[in-house]
Amino acid sequence: SQTIHQWPATLVQPVGSPLSLECTVEGTSNPNLYWYRQAAGRGLQLLFYSVGIGQISSEVPQNLSASRPQDRQFILSSKKLLLSDSGFYLCAWTQGRGQVEKLFFGSGTQLSVL
Amino acid sequence: ILNVEQSPQSLHVQEGDSTNFTCSFPSSNFYALHWYRWETAKSPEALFVMTLNGDEKKKGRISATLNTKEGYSYLYIKGSQPEDSATYLCAFNSGGGADGLTFGKGTHLIIQP
Repeated sequence: SQTIHQWPATLVQPVGSPLSLECTVEGTSNPNLYWYRQAAGRGLQLLFYSVGIGQISSEVPQNLSASRPQDRQFILSSKKLLLSDSGFYLCAWTQGRGQVEKLFFGSGTQLSVL
Repeated sequence: ILNVEQSPQSLHVQEGDSTNFTCSFPSSNFYALHWYRWETAKSPEALFVMTLNGDEKKKGRISATLNTKEGYSYLYIKGSQPEDSATYLCAFNSGGGADGLTFGKGTHLIIQP
């Protein structure tokens, strides 16, 4: 069966520090991968998605970047965090076979930038 | 920017009572409507993906209906139990792939024993 792992669960970082959140999927190959953020009082917002190794699409201009160095690994990064980067970050995957598919989510990372 | 509205924002329901809440979405360019349940300290979990006008789906005590012409979906919970306490998210898909999903802010449901 497929599983998705996301870490760390919580993170407190000072403004201006770098960020690296990691997500891995097991039990499937060539998944579509997604990074979402939920800021206070807002719905889940898609930040990045990837349909394959090295292929990243960004949905919103921001201080963050994403990379997919391996088929089942998706990394969210920042060189210098801003206060506005605080929020709850969720990684998700779908099989991406062109059909209407539900998302499978990781357990999330609560990021507080102070 | 697509507008997906969920109401109410939060809801307190007595154990054993039935309840329902609403998701409103644009009535044009409809592809699919998703419902997710997000329990505290857990991952959001898909309940339903609905694609056809008039669709009605059921999973145990939870069911959902879809009206794409007027742009709304209802989620019903029959005989609420404490384990139903969660935030229920709907997401409107206008483009087919999951990258086309726009989420609402959710309805936070609390079941009181």
